[in-house]
Amino acid sequence: DTAVSQTPKYLVTQMGNDKSIKCEQNLGHDTMYWYKQDSKKFLKIMFSYNNKELIINETVPNRFSPKSPDKAHLNLHINSLELGDSAVYFCASSVRVGTEAFFGQGTRLTVV
Amino acid sequence: QQPVQSPQAVILREGEDAVINCSSSKALYSVHWYRQKHGEAPVFLMILLKGGEQKGHEKISASFNEKKQQSSLYLTASQLSYSGTYFCGTEWDQGGKLIFGQGTELSVKP
Repeated sequence: DTAVSQTPKYLVTQMGNDKSIKCEQNLGHDTMYWYKQDSKKFLKIMFSYNNKELIINETVPNRFSPKSPDKAHLNLHINSLELGDSAVYFCASSVRVGTEAFFGQGTRLTVV
Repeated sequence: QQPVQSPQAVILREGEDAVINCSSSKALYSVHWYRQKHGEAPVFLMILLKGGEQKGHEKISASFNEKKQQSSLYLTASQLSYSGTYFCGTEWDQGGKLIFGQGTELSVKP
């Protein structure tokens, strides 16, 4: 069983569209994250949730909205997609903030 | 303030050793090390907390120099499987966000 799974793995969409990426973890962790990795491999935290509560919210455009329906799921919705949103988005989870993080396989988003 | 890793890239022959450094301009609570192979997710290697401890993981170990706000990752007797991009992540406060360095690309050749 995959510990942290994201869907879809690849997403190609046109500018202006709205899309969602889903993430689920079966590790029983309390903390989940969204990271963005750009074409230069820079890995940057976007959001972090602890037990469904938002605890880290980086300076991300408000077109990005995370949602955590329960502590095993953290979804990312992106409105009005722009070319600059093209990147690999990683979901991750950990027992608590600051401990070993387990990453999903990533979602490669390409905006055309 | 993103931590700075050096070198940016290194090429090794199998069996050689390498050191990757991670420096911060700000006082650190912890340093995390991850390895990411091409096209895959980052994988956790180890965490070091302030106190200057050293940790080991197979033939990969790391140290944390609190005075210098620097951590070093040591890879000894490198294997082909060590190839990938190594990231350090720094945490300023306990429970704070993890900020990653720009990565060090390591290639191990036969």
